[in-house]
Amino acid sequence: KNQVEQSPQSLIILEGKNCTLQCNYTVSPFSNLRWYKQDTGRGPVSLTIMTFSENTKSNGRYTATLDADTKQSSLHITASQLSDSASYICVVSAGGSYIPTFGRGTSLIVHP
Amino acid sequence: ETGVTQTPRHLVMGMTNKKSLKCEQHLGHNAMYWYKQSAKKPLELMFVYNFKEQTENNSVPSRFSPECPNSSHLFLHLHTLQPEDSALYLCASSQDLRDSTEAFFGQGTRLTVV
Repeated sequence: KNQVEQSPQSLIILEGKNCTLQCNYTVSPFSNLRWYKQDTGRGPVSLTIMTFSENTKSNGRYTATLDADTKQSSLHITASQLSDSASYICVVSAGGSYIPTFGRGTSLIVHP
Repeated sequence: ETGVTQTPRHLVMGMTNKKSLKCEQHLGHNAMYWYKQSAKKPLELMFVYNFKEQTENNSVPSRFSPECPNSSHLFLHLHTLQPEDSALYLCASSQDLRDSTEAFFGQGTRLTVV
């Protein structure tokens, strides 16, 4: 059964600090992994997409890594801002399937 | 904005009511989706439409009835819902059904069943 596990479930950090969110998956055959940001009361918005051959991809202060061997991904947020407060969802797609597997998300709160 | 618009943003309905959720996309996409998002749970795929044809019904109860009159519009008709159906309902669209295609989400309808 395809599964995506995210940790931690929630995280509180101070503005300006860095943080790293984790995603472990058991999706086969692997096609791609996306990180989405979901602000409270809004729909998810894609931050990055990574395929099997990519190890690192950045989008501004967001950097995603992928280790396809260990089936792990991380999302690193640098110099956090108040607007980074949101839920971050890891989504993994299997090859040949249009039904992705979603993680439960990590709720990030950035305090001033 | 993502180009996917959902209305209404909030809805409170009784268990005997009939209501409809609307989704509209202006991205020229061919595939549209309904998802349910409950607290502390991953997004649950409900229905998938591709070129107006339903390709997926993820064992959704018949009290939820989707309608896709064209590739730009998607409805979710609701009747005799239960309190446990209270959730955020998200619509999404994508260019096609390839596994690499990005889905663009609407802002959701927050549904409360009383």
